[in-house]
Amino acid sequence: EAGVVQSPRYKIIEKKQPVAFWCNPISGHNTLYWYRQNLGQGPELLIRYENEEAVDDSQLPKDRFSAERLKGVDSTLKIQPAELGDSAVYLCASSWEDGWNTEAFFGQGTRLTVV
Amino acid sequence: DAKTTQPPSMDCAEGRAANLPCNHSTISGNEYVYWYRQIHSQGPQYIIHGLKNNETNEMASLIITEDRKSSTLILPHATLRDTAVYYCILQLLAGNKLTFGGGTRVLVKP
Repeated sequence: EAGVVQSPRYKIIEKKQPVAFWCNPISGHNTLYWYRQNLGQGPELLIRYENEEAVDDSQLPKDRFSAERLKGVDSTLKIQPAELGDSAVYLCASSWEDGWNTEAFFGQGTRLTVV
Repeated sequence: DAKTTQPPSMDCAEGRAANLPCNHSTISGNEYVYWYRQIHSQGPQYIIHGLKNNETNEMASLIITEDRKSSTLILPHATLRDTAVYYCILQLLAGNKLTFGGGTRVLVKP
């Protein structure tokens, strides 16, 4: 079974340009997360979905970041416009949360470089 | 979420046991101790979790003190492929986010 799939793997853009990341979670997983990881630091949560509902987006910079999870499956994270400080690895994770198991499975991430 | 404290780095010898400490003195009664690791250029990978009893799986063992204020992750026979950053995280069981700290950078040496 395929794990969490993210694309693209790498992206280089100029500042002020838009960029989008795509995530396909593990089939059947009801919870999807987007994290951002700066160099040398642990991942930080941006947004968490339960099915198609965003239940925690308190850390998402809403002036420039947006996310959607249509039909409770795939998800897209968008930045518009990108700033130099957005350079980071963007990680998607999914899990099946039934009150007993919250092991999260992570994708390999998208490394974004803003120049 | 309660915070955890881990040493920033540690070395261990290939083939020997690696003992990774984690302090969580403000842990609440319904928070579990989770361990993840992140190998270079990959996403984090789940290792093990526990509430109060010691746990063991094919990857590692988790020892939690009786007062639950600290824990130790044990890699029984470290290999070079165990070189990674190891994160100790406290989490409520249902529907909660993982709050990563800085982790411990483990280097397994031949």
